[in-house]
Order: sequence, then structure tokens, then C-alpha cells
Amino acid sequence: RKEVEQDPGPFNVPEGATVAFNCTYSNSASQSFFWYRQDCRKEPKLLMSVYSSGNEDGRFTAQLNRASQYISLLIRDSKLSDSATYLCVVNWASRGSARQLTFGSGTQLTVLP
Amino acid sequence: NAGVTQTPKFQVLKTGQSMTLQCAQDMNHNSMYWYRQDPGMGLRLIYYSASEGTTDKGEVPNGYNVSRLNKREFSLRLESAAPSQTSVYFCASSPSGTPRQPQHFGDGTRLSIL
Repeated sequence: RKEVEQDPGPFNVPEGATVAFNCTYSNSASQSFFWYRQDCRKEPKLLMSVYSSGNEDGRFTAQLNRASQYISLLIRDSKLSDSATYLCVVNWASRGSARQLTFGSGTQLTVLP
Repeated sequence: NAGVTQTPKFQVLKTGQSMTLQCAQDMNHNSMYWYRQDPGMGLRLIYYSASEGTTDKGEVPNGYNVSRLNKREFSLRLESAAPSQTSVYFCASSPSGTPRQPQHFGDGTRLSIL
């Protein structure tokens, strides 16, 4: 079983739609959670951190459910420019070492005009 | 504002050849990382350097060596390239090794081993 699992998609949605991605993680001791965005043939870039109480950044909302060990990302009013692969990232080092970051394989989103 | 710079961007090698991938960051970050990305597998950590003078193995270190030359530069060496090392390699850096600080990535090296 993968340590971080994501639905690979692809998700094809029309402009203006709301789309949600889930990510599950296997290690209950996980400490930190992130969503990264990766455009085709480009490097990953941090989209947002995920906090226990949930957090929002414009059209993007991230939620964490520790009991069920999943993280979600909600994109409202999707734009063409949101088309990318979204990577779920989890850290479970007890000492907080960033070397323990584990990346999911990504969920591909295409927003259609 | 270069950020993280990787060279080369593309390379084709024959099995058994050696090669060094270069990475430099100009953000005064302490920690640097090398990842590989393969289809359907996500990024996997090869080696990590928490600070100048230290290196540590990640998830998939076999077949690779690294050198933290100074605070700015972290190189990855393939001593005897194998087809299984065909991948996209990303270097990243962060202010320190704490998990809440984001990692900044270079734009990758696409490496093919024939």
C-alpha cells in the first residue's frame, strides 16, 4: 500500500465548476500536510499548507481529517489556469525532519472552456 | 531572482557512463534535496543535506552519490548509469529542515539512459 494515495484522475471539469480532490495517508503519526501544484513538464510549487482547523486561500480550501487520515483540496470557480497536477505531500518525522516528506503521485486536473 | 538552478536541463547517457547533476540556490537556504520523479510514482527523495557539510540518504539512494560543496551547491553523481535511472531529477531547497517551510524546486533535469 502506498504511504500517500491520490486518485490520479484525470478530472475534466468546465470553467467555473467546483472540484474536490482527496488524499489518504497511511501513517497516523503524520505531522504536516501540504498541497503542491505541478504544471506539465515543470517543477512542483507549493500551493498551500494544510492546517488542522482547515484553511482557505482565495478559491482554494484545504481540509484535514486526522481520524480518517485524509486531506482534501477544494477548488471553487475553477479557471483554465488551474489545469495542472496537484500533489498531496505528507511529513511524519517525529523530529520534524523535512527529509521525511512523502509525495503522492498526483491528481491531474484539466479545466475546459 | 534565479532561485534554484539545475544544470543540465536534458542529458542522454549510455549505460555505464558517469555524470554529475549540478544544483545551486541563491536564497541562502540551509537545506537542499535531490528527488527523482517517475510516472505514477510521485517524487522520491534520493539524498538530503540538512546543512553545509552534512548529507543523508533518502528513500532511493542506491546508485547515487552527493556532495554538498558549499551552502549554495549540492551535486548528484551517477557513477555508472543504468537504464533504471532514466527519470526527471529535481533539486530543491528550504530555509531549514523543518517540515512547515516550503521547498523550492529547480526546473528539473530530464535524464535518459540508453
